[in-house]
Amino acid sequence: DAMVIQNPRYQVTQFGKPVTLSCSQTLNHNVMYWYQQKSSQAPKLLFHYYDKDFNNEADTPDNFQSRRPNTSFCFLDIRSPGLGDAAMYLCATSRTGQETQYFGPGTRLLVL
Amino acid sequence: QKEVEQDPGPLSVPEGAIVSLNCTYSNSAFQYFMWYRQYSRKGPELLMYTYSSGNKEDGRFTAQVDKSSKYISLFIRDSQPSDSATYLCAMSADGANSKLTFGKGITLSVRP
Repeated sequence: DAMVIQNPRYQVTQFGKPVTLSCSQTLNHNVMYWYQQKSSQAPKLLFHYYDKDFNNEADTPDNFQSRRPNTSFCFLDIRSPGLGDAAMYLCATSRTGQETQYFGPGTRLLVL
Repeated sequence: QKEVEQDPGPLSVPEGAIVSLNCTYSNSAFQYFMWYRQYSRKGPELLMYTYSSGNKEDGRFTAQVDKSSKYISLFIRDSQPSDSATYLCAMSADGANSKLTFGKGITLSVRP
């Protein structure tokens, strides 16, 4: 089945230790998004790739970076995680002309 | 005023009840309206999508959009315990490839 896959599902890291979350998709969608969702809050868009073009939200901290080496994969790098970065990180995809975004299951990040 | 406001909940109903979930918004540019269902510790799953004003029905679910009042609703008929989840409204100006703005979500519990 075509889907959006996120790895790992759970990630524990130490304060200040870099961490990378991954997203892959078999939908052949050209747009990929990263959202941060804290407990009982709405998902917040961090950035997205439209094909190879990177689009950063104005209020996304510099601590968050992203890479998209090819159509299928996208990575979220948190350079120096703080306690406030503990959240669910959601990857979503869509295709030009499509009306909706499809989400992966998320990676829950815990910062100790 | 937030761009999207959603009833805070939580909401608890008996099995078989009709459930009404609502969101209001302030941005008149929004044309695409979505409801996502999110089970605990999972990613959002697209439930219903509507373009512009009107109604859309899918089984036990009906989505309504009233752009003149900037008000959207999701109705669930004959609610089931399996409907217990958090429901997020989301909307955008230009379809999937533009930024989705989410409500905070409302947690629904359907009691057997």
